[in-house]
Amino acid sequence: DAGVTQSPTHLIKTRGQQVTLRCSPKSGHDTVSWYQQALGQGPQFIFQYYEEEERQRGNFPDRFSGHQFPNYSSELNVNALLLGDSALYLCASRSGSDTQYFGPGTRLTVL
Amino acid sequence: AQSVSQHNHHVILSEAASLELGCNYSYGGTVNLFWYVQYPGQHLQLLLKYFSGDPLVKGIKGFEAEFIKSKFSFNLRKPSVQWSDTAEYFCAVIGNTDKLIFGTGTRLQVFP
Repeated sequence: DAGVTQSPTHLIKTRGQQVTLRCSPKSGHDTVSWYQQALGQGPQFIFQYYEEEERQRGNFPDRFSGHQFPNYSSELNVNALLLGDSALYLCASRSGSDTQYFGPGTRLTVL
Repeated sequence: AQSVSQHNHHVILSEAASLELGCNYSYGGTVNLFWYVQYPGQHLQLLLKYFSGDPLVKGIKGFEAEFIKSKFSFNLRKPSVQWSDTAEYFCAVIGNTDKLIFGTGTRLQVFP
């Protein structure tokens, strides 16, 4: 049983560009959350998707958007990239109110 | 707003020493509490969790944590650490918003 998977592993972009990160949840999980982990910090909640809708959102600008597909996989899109968007982006999934399981993350570097 | 404080940013111990990492949260209602660990080069893994019931919870690898509601604390303990416990440890809380809020983490280094 595969856990949470994310792609790509690493990504390098330049300021102003747009990026899409992908997440496949653990089998049986229907809720996906995204987090940003800057270097030396704890993960910061970006948003949560359930039934293809954004259910919760953290303090992130509208440049950060997402999508959930019918198979529960999810995408995180970031527009107009800034240097400060450089971070590890984590996806987590769960079923109902159970514990969240995290993926390995995508390391985004913005030059 | 809910928040989590981890006061120990970097802890250095020798093998067999005892460990206690502090975690305080700022929410007065019902909470679910977690400790996650991030080993070097690996993804976040759940160590233990508290939802309700016995405030002393046991997790994997000999870790335990005690929920003290009056102190808004959920400290992590291990009686005897090993070199393999070297990692980053994160305390996290879910309150009424269903958002998992993390502390800034504690880096633990264990020397043989």
